[in-house]
Amino acid sequence: GAGVSQSPSNKVTEKGKDVELRCDPISGHTALYWYRQRLGQGLEFLIYFQGNSAPDKSGLPSDRFSAERTGESVSTLTIQRTQQEDSAVYLCASSSRDRGKLFFGSGTQLSVL
Amino acid sequence: KQEVTQIPAALSVPEGENLVLNCSFTDSAIYNLQWFRQDPGKGLTSLLLIQSSQREQTSGRLNASLDKSSGRSTLYIAASQPGDSATYLCAVSRGKAGTALIFGKGTTLSVSS
Repeated sequence: GAGVSQSPSNKVTEKGKDVELRCDPISGHTALYWYRQRLGQGLEFLIYFQGNSAPDKSGLPSDRFSAERTGESVSTLTIQRTQQEDSAVYLCASSSRDRGKLFFGSGTQLSVL
Repeated sequence: KQEVTQIPAALSVPEGENLVLNCSFTDSAIYNLQWFRQDPGKGLTSLLLIQSSQREQTSGRLNASLDKSSGRSTLYIAASQPGDSATYLCAVSRGKAGTALIFGKGTTLSVSS
């Protein structure tokens, strides 16, 4: 596609349920980032995939959060046993190279009731 | 630990003014620095990327400078317009390959007509 695509755009779930968020990066982009942005707050780094290197998972807030990426393609961010504090916009970004110019998707607004 | 600070947090100016947004970072061992724009309810758009070896980058009415040794960057916006109203974020890439981009909390700019 022309840009970074994220789905769903909105997700409402009940506390304790698991959710999966999807990111389709720009074709050919080797680098892929996940960030979280709570209401009125800055961007909080979650995880970074770069090519075949081991991902940088240093931003994942707890073991309820995990992410996978298939080759240089789609990535999914999974949140298990969601909590109300997980409510936020989850943003995905990709780049053609390590630490290159970032292109962001429009995000997934997650609301945990 | 790299920390990125943006001052001011908010700024209001009349149309036509020139203005400067500030970004500072604690660890000067960066690879590059990027400035982004975020419009309400939307993702981020990359404005300028400055490599650590560069002093400045220009795009239209925007000019970004970098003083790596002092840990500072500025974004200069000339002849501001109402359409420039948005939140502006700076982010730095660490020197180590395969590591995350760290964001500041942003400056929210309002340009009145």
